[in-house]
Amino acid sequence: GEDVEQSLFLSVREGDSSVINCTYTDSSSTYLYWYKQEPGAGLQLLTYIFSNMDMKQDQRLTVLLNKKDKHLSLRIADTQTGDSAIYFCAEIRGNTDKLIFGTGTRLQVFP
Amino acid sequence: DAGVTQSPTHLIKTRGQQVTLRCSPKSGHDTVSWYQQALGQGPQFIFQYYEEEERQRGNFPDRFSGHQFPNYSSELNVNALLLGDSALYLCASSLGGGPQHFGDGTRLSIL
Repeated sequence: GEDVEQSLFLSVREGDSSVINCTYTDSSSTYLYWYKQEPGAGLQLLTYIFSNMDMKQDQRLTVLLNKKDKHLSLRIADTQTGDSAIYFCAEIRGNTDKLIFGTGTRLQVFP
Repeated sequence: DAGVTQSPTHLIKTRGQQVTLRCSPKSGHDTVSWYQQALGQGPQFIFQYYEEEERQRGNFPDRFSGHQFPNYSSELNVNALLLGDSALYLCASSLGGGPQHFGDGTRLSIL
């Protein structure tokens, strides 16, 4: 993606927490999203955060936003094998309505 | 409540041919966006339709065109297909500027 960076791979043990990180460069980002993509499927919207928020929690998911450092993270508590997938962060900039995606982080959960 | 549906799921074409992909938005949504996802990459924005007009466009050539119908469904047309057009084409729908929900995509292979 253009100027949205993610680490490529993360491996965690079942039951542990996973933290997936994302950095972006454009300070005009208004909304930031996390999507999940399983093999052969489309993108599932997991959660999103408005740029004036620091944190958002939704069941096992916690999103942290550090706007000063342009850093976004997704924490998955009690990670399960069904969480194995590719996770994309994406941003909406300024007055546009197009999503700009990172390259995705492949999360592998092992027993 | 049906989500975003796309057809066909898979398609094989040869270079130089033309293709039409279809998308029905999630019930209640009025905006449709199209994305191209090459293997191993994040989705790239192609264009967005609202009120039957193209509202925004990404960095794609004029060979890529679209249409939105009065019932909010949409088509993506690609002319003069190139090998590099092989990808997963994703449709997303939204209501106004709300979160975009994706379909499972059409896998297009060019021989």
